[in-house]
Amino acid sequence: DTAVSQTPKYLVTQMGNDKSIKCEQNLGHDTMYWYKQDSKKFLKIMFSYNNKELIINETVPNRFSPKSPDKAHLNLHINSLELGDSAVYFCASSRLAGEVEQYFGPGTRLTVT
Amino acid sequence: GQQVMQIPQYQHVQEGEDFTTYCNSSTTLSNIQWYKQRPGGHPVFLIQLVKSGEVKKQKRLTFQFGEAKKNSSLHITATQTTDVGTYFCAGPKNYGQNFVFGPGTRLSVLP
Repeated sequence: DTAVSQTPKYLVTQMGNDKSIKCEQNLGHDTMYWYKQDSKKFLKIMFSYNNKELIINETVPNRFSPKSPDKAHLNLHINSLELGDSAVYFCASSRLAGEVEQYFGPGTRLTVT
Repeated sequence: GQQVMQIPQYQHVQEGEDFTTYCNSSTTLSNIQWYKQRPGGHPVFLIQLVKSGEVKKQKRLTFQFGEAKKNSSLHITATQTTDVGTYFCAGPKNYGQNFVFGPGTRLSVLP
């Protein structure tokens, strides 16, 4: 069974559209994260939720809105997509907030045209 | 702001050769982690180092944390094609719950 799953795996869309990426973990972890990996492979954290509460919000445009309906799910909604949003988005989870061992999902490759 | 750097950016080795990547932080770290990302894959946690001067081994991989807790290294002995990928170090951001990842070292192993 996949520990951290994301859908969709690939997402191709046009500028200005709104899209969502979903993430689910079945590890029973309390904390979930969203990372963005750009074309140069640089990994940067965007958000972190602990038990459905937002605990980390890096400098991310407010077009990005995370939502955690329960501690096993963390979704990412992006409004008014821009070319610069093209990247691979990884969801991750850890047992506790700040715990170093994070389990990453397979990633969602977003291409904005 | 806090920076985590890695060198080299890329490394090409012949299978059987050794490989080392270095990680340097602009600030003292409470701990450092290493992740591996295979091409087309996702980052996978390898190890965490906590103590000053700590050395840990995983088969052919040797991880070291510097005495000043500002640098770390990952050494692979006798590389294999399965070692191909990008190796990231990461450290806590300003002792918080957030992590800063280094830019990674991309390893290619030629058979």
